[in-house]
Amino acid sequence: DTGVSQDPRHKITKRGQNVTFRCDPISEHNRLYWYRQTLGQGPEFLTYFQNEAQLEKSRLLSDRFSAERPKGSFSTLEIQRTEQGDSAMYLCASSFIANYGYTFGSGTRLTVV
Amino acid sequence: QQPVQSPQAVILREGEDAVINCSSSKALYSVHWYRQKHGEAPVFLMILLKGGEQKGHDKISASFNEKKQQSSLYLTASQLSYSGTYFCGIGTNNNAGNMLTFGGGTRLMVKP
Repeated sequence: DTGVSQDPRHKITKRGQNVTFRCDPISEHNRLYWYRQTLGQGPEFLTYFQNEAQLEKSRLLSDRFSAERPKGSFSTLEIQRTEQGDSAMYLCASSFIANYGYTFGSGTRLTVV
Repeated sequence: QQPVQSPQAVILREGEDAVINCSSSKALYSVHWYRQKHGEAPVFLMILLKGGEQKGHDKISASFNEKKQQSSLYLTASQLSYSGTYFCGIGTNNNAGNMLTFGGGTRLMVKP
């Protein structure tokens, strides 16, 4: 059990560029979550997968955001046409079953300049 | 809707106790508690489920009041390692705990 891995740890991009983040969950966990956290705030839900199926997506998430989890293993989160308001820490978490604690990754810090 | 945590910040001396509250405007199905240290990922502390019992381990415990739609985290005989920001995350009945809505956090500082 190596924990939840996220890559990259930091990403600086120019406004309007596309970015993609990767998350490798704990292998036994079938649930994978993406959250976004800004300074001084709690994590904000973005989307959730059970195996390869994307079961929920936040209404706050614009069409510029998309996430995939092919084959129910790793997941990617893509942001198209980035805006300065997208600057945040993007956290991935996984859990074994429903109503089980989350294991969070260390996050990807995105800065849009 | 985001749960409300109180207090927003608290400073303790080592060995003192603290209570952190988490209140929801919606009926609760589950409550998670996490601690996050500066620059690190949130770390899971415990989960409480609707109809479940009060949980605890070591000197940290929590309660779930379904009627009041709130949960409280109890930190007793605090240690320096307890410093960090505590978040509650709630699962409401309409999502059966599939995703969590987190509160704004309570910043706890334990001084020697």
